[in-house]
Amino acid sequence: KQEVTQIPAALSVPEGENLVLNCSFTDSAIYNLQWFRQDPGKGLTSLLLIQSSQREQTSGRLNASLDKSSGRSTLYIAASQPGDSATYLCAVRNTGGFKTIFGAGTRLFVKA
Amino acid sequence: DVKVTQSSRYLVKRTGEKVFLECVQDMDHENMFWYRQDPGLGLRLIYFSYDVKMKEKGDIPEGYSVSREKKERFSLILESASTNQTSMYLCASSTGLGQPQHFGDGTRLSIL
Repeated sequence: KQEVTQIPAALSVPEGENLVLNCSFTDSAIYNLQWFRQDPGKGLTSLLLIQSSQREQTSGRLNASLDKSSGRSTLYIAASQPGDSATYLCAVRNTGGFKTIFGAGTRLFVKA
Repeated sequence: DVKVTQSSRYLVKRTGEKVFLECVQDMDHENMFWYRQDPGLGLRLIYFSYDVKMKEKGDIPEGYSVSREKKERFSLILESASTNQTSMYLCASSTGLGQPQHFGDGTRLSIL
């Protein structure tokens, strides 16, 4: 059974710092992995999706990497800003199914 | 941009009532999903639909049913609401299972 873990559960950094959020999964037979952002009381906003054949994806200040063999993905945020404060979730879709398994998220706070 | 619209942001109902949560997407997506999100439990899939009138049970379908009469609309029905169904409900859609899921803003449902 696929399990997705995100560490740390919460992170506080000063503005301008580069940071890395971690996501690990137990079953490497994945179809893709998606990173989301969630603001308090809101839905999820898709940030990046990495297909199983890809190693990384980039969008602006965000870079997501995928290492299937070790069951890890990282989300790198460059030059963090207070507006980046949110909860970041990773989600894995396994091959051969329709379900997406979500991590519990990392709550990020960027201090001005 | 994909737009997924959930009919209510906040809803308060009484135990035993039949409750309808509506979700509409404007991008002709085949796949639609209903999740609930609870503190400490993360996102859990209730139901998934891959076409009009087609549905699959997710991880926690008990006490819920769904309806997809038109491609753009996916309804979640609480047959007889109970207090343990108080939660944040999130709808999502995607073009294919390998494609990003796009979420609505969520409905925070309270059952009194």
